[in-house]
Amino acid sequence: DTEVTQTPKHLVMGMTNKKSLKCEQHMGHRAMYWYKQKAKKPPELMFVYSYEKLSINESVPSRFSPECPNSSLLNLHLHALQPEDSALYLCASSQDQGFEQYFGPGTRLTVT
Amino acid sequence: QKEVEQNSGPLSVPEGAIASLNCTYSDRGSQSFFWYRQYSGKSPELIMFIYSNGDKEDGRFTAQLNKASQYVSLLIRDSQPSDSATYLCAVNIGYGGATNKLIFGTGTLLAVQP
Repeated sequence: DTEVTQTPKHLVMGMTNKKSLKCEQHMGHRAMYWYKQKAKKPPELMFVYSYEKLSINESVPSRFSPECPNSSLLNLHLHALQPEDSALYLCASSQDQGFEQYFGPGTRLTVT
Repeated sequence: QKEVEQNSGPLSVPEGAIASLNCTYSDRGSQSFFWYRQYSGKSPELIMFIYSNGDKEDGRFTAQLNKASQYVSLLIRDSQPSDSATYLCAVNIGYGGATNKLIFGTGTLLAVQP
């Protein structure tokens, strides 16, 4: 089974709201990732967690705050977002960094 | 700046033909290479990965890697209209451990004509 789940599927939030995106995998993978994808562009890496520790932050603005509560879960906390942050947010996991990544279905975020 | 380049297409092929998708990369130290298929509005789906020079076949898909030429390709045999999608080439860069990450190409749009 190569399933990564993400909730919610869709999210609309105002610029003053606080919300969280959730990601879960039960494949025993030790690396988990957050990507942002705008229309007709490739996924853009935001964060990497390896063995529950943050290993890569691609200079993402602090209004995005990742959290890895355990080896199966990954959250992305959102606060004071801008309309240009509207995008598809993808979670992925892999056996370890450098191995093939499996993506979840994504959360379509709209910031109004 | 590490780069992965793909022709954006669209690449149009008739049903039943072989579709050939190409990708070049700039980092000579890259060791692992991936092809993802992405339907419009959906998330990327891993269809092939290759780590060694040569060919790797899985059903109708063949990935080809030439590290000397820094070139990776994907062949789709007996193309079907359901193969119509954007194909993303991804290359792992980094120096091992915590620095490994994927760099994606911009994707090639494949259109299989019935």
